[in-house]
Amino acid sequence: DQQVKQNSPSLSVQEGRISILNCDYTNSMFDYFLWYKKYPAEGPTFLISISSIKDKNEDGRFTVFLNKSAKHLSLHIVPSQPGDSAVYFCAASLLNSGGSNYKLTFGKGTLLTVNP
Amino acid sequence: KAGVTQTPRYLIKTRGQQVTLSCSPISGHRSVSWYQQTPGQGLQFLFEYFSETQRNKGNFPGRFSGRQFSNSRSEMNVSTLELGDSALYLCASSLQGHEQFFGPGTRLTVL
Repeated sequence: DQQVKQNSPSLSVQEGRISILNCDYTNSMFDYFLWYKKYPAEGPTFLISISSIKDKNEDGRFTVFLNKSAKHLSLHIVPSQPGDSAVYFCAASLLNSGGSNYKLTFGKGTLLTVNP
Repeated sequence: KAGVTQTPRYLIKTRGQQVTLSCSPISGHRSVSWYQQTPGQGLQFLFEYFSETQRNKGNFPGRFSGRQFSNSRSEMNVSTLELGDSALYLCASSLQGHEQFFGPGTRLTVL
């Protein structure tokens, strides 16, 4: 059972416009959500995160929105740049019962292409 | 501060062989996690180690194993390789928090 879903395998936008990447989850116990960006032949790099007690977090051109009632989060990139072209992974974190560590569950990723 | 390093970067093996992959976390990070990335399945969690102890384990067969040393470096081993084990294996380290920092990965090809 896939607990974190990214239903759009790919997204194409024009440079300067907004990119919106979506992610849905099923486990209401997730307490933290993260977005990672991945270029080919490199490991994922951390982009932005949001705690489950918040509904918005902003960092420069990147904003993550969380709708807990809908179990949905989205990443907005404004304005989009060609260098943003990469695979974006949504991840959710679950604190273990001992309260000491976190396990990340990833979606399958969305390939974003920003056209000049 | 140096990032997460993984060796080797590329590996070709044949079915039935075994393989050992190595990961050096960011200095000071004591938690190391391993993930398998395949085109169809995305990133799947293998296991996580902290202070030489496995704290979390994903849904992989016993052929996949790992360990962590006292200096926090970690290794994962896959025995009796199968064609389906061909994947990018990623290691990530963290400082007891949600954010994990990934290495570049080891691309394993099983022929």
